[in-house]
Amino acid sequence: DAMVIQNPRYQVTQFGKPVTLSCSQTLNHNVMYWYQQKSSQAPKLLFHYYDKDFNNEADTPDNFQSRRPNTSFCFLDIRSPGLGDAAMYLCATSRRDGYTFGSGTRLTVV
Amino acid sequence: AQTVTQSQPEMSVQEAETVTLSCTYDTSESDYYLFWYKQPPSRQMILVIRQEAYKQQNATENRFSVNFQKAAKSFSLKISDSQLGDAAMYFCAYRRARREGGSEKLVFGKGTKLTVNP
Repeated sequence: DAMVIQNPRYQVTQFGKPVTLSCSQTLNHNVMYWYQQKSSQAPKLLFHYYDKDFNNEADTPDNFQSRRPNTSFCFLDIRSPGLGDAAMYLCATSRRDGYTFGSGTRLTVV
Repeated sequence: AQTVTQSQPEMSVQEAETVTLSCTYDTSESDYYLFWYKQPPSRQMILVIRQEAYKQQNATENRFSVNFQKAAKSFSLKISDSQLGDAAMYFCAYRRARREGGSEKLVFGKGTKLTVNP
C-alpha cells in the first residue's frame, strides 16, 4: 500500500548532539510537512515543502532544518537538540485535499 | 489567523452509546475544509471524516457524522454505537482551500481524549 514511512519510530539523542529524522513516501505527493507534537498538545507545523520550495513557519526555531533531496524523501535535522525538543515528530504529505500522516518518530533528549 | 478550539479536553462514553465532540473555529475565509482526525496512543493520525465548507450537507462515514454549522463556525463530531476501538485522541482541524499552485497547512485544535467504557 502507498504510504508515508517515518524512521526510526523511537529516537534517543544526547543534549546538543545533532539528530536527523527521516520520512519517505510512495504516494508521489508534491507537498511534504513536518509537524512537532508535544505531549497532550496539538501538532504544530514546523515547515513544509511544495515540490522543492521550502516554506518555514515564522516561529520555527533556527535549530530545526529540513532537506528534501527528491520527491520521495524528506529529512528533519535538529542541529543542537535541547530538552524542550523532546516530542513526537509527524511527517505528512498532501496533493489536493487529502493528507496522509506517517506513524511519527518519538524523540527523547537525554 | 485561523484558530480551532476544542473545549472538551476529555470525554467518556459507554460502549454502544453515542457521544458528540465539539469544535469551533474562526476564519474570515469562505472556502475551506474541516477535518476530524483520530490518533490512538502512539499510533498514526488517521482521517475520520472531512467536510467541504461549500457543501451544506453534513458528511457521514458509517458510525461517524458531523454537524456543520457554517454561520456559527461549529463542526461537531458524533460517534454512534461507540466501540472500544474508538478510544483515542480526536483532533479537529481546519485547512483553507488551496490556492492555485500553493499548499495549505492544517490548523489543529488541542484535541479531545475519548475514553470508551465497556
